[in-house]
Amino acid sequence: GENVEQHPSTLSVQEGDSAVIKCTYSDSASNYFPWYKQELGKGPQLIIDIRSNVGEKKDQRIAVTLNKTAKHFSLHITETQPEDSAVYFCAASSNSGGYQKVTFGTGTKLQVIP
Amino acid sequence: DSGVTQTPKHLITATGQRVTLRCSPRSGDLSVYWYQQSLDQGLQFLIQYYNGEERAKGNILERFSAQQFPDLHSELNLSSLELGDSALYFCASSEGQGAFHEQYFGPGTRLTVT
Repeated sequence: GENVEQHPSTLSVQEGDSAVIKCTYSDSASNYFPWYKQELGKGPQLIIDIRSNVGEKKDQRIAVTLNKTAKHFSLHITETQPEDSAVYFCAASSNSGGYQKVTFGTGTKLQVIP
Repeated sequence: DSGVTQTPKHLITATGQRVTLRCSPRSGDLSVYWYQQSLDQGLQFLIQYYNGEERAKGNILERFSAQQFPDLHSELNLSSLELGDSALYFCASSEGQGAFHEQYFGPGTRLTVT
């Protein structure tokens, strides 16, 4: 089955600096890579996603890159703000037998220091 | 607010007991997913239903079962509870069942087994 590894497990940055979270996946059939943000006491919320036919996607201060050959994808947050502090999960998804098979990484706890 | 509701918010019970967690998906969503999140763990996929039918199984124990009703709400039943079952249980819903459908997560049910 799919295996998604996520690094680092914790990340502290100064406000205004950039943060990068990296994930690797094992199943070449994975073709959709969402990123979720989980704030304390809440459920995960999708912040950005990328499909396998795209190498990069950007939404304001958030960008995601995908290297299909190396099976790597990364989340980049620029100009970090205290409200970016949360746990971030990457995921790899494939369409298996007509249903969505999603495997999540173990999460990165991001702390933005004011 | 994702539009996905889960009840109860908190549940405290003893080992050996049985509990039922309830999830109402977003209006119009046909797929429901259940996840378990243990302390310092990522999201472990348990099971998926689509329009009342089981579509995929993840790491779900035999003591656990789920169903999706005609009104599309879903219930996760946990029996013969053990201390290790203490976790956050999330329900998510999506419009379809393919790989590119965003999953919307509920606020979760925190289960504590004593």
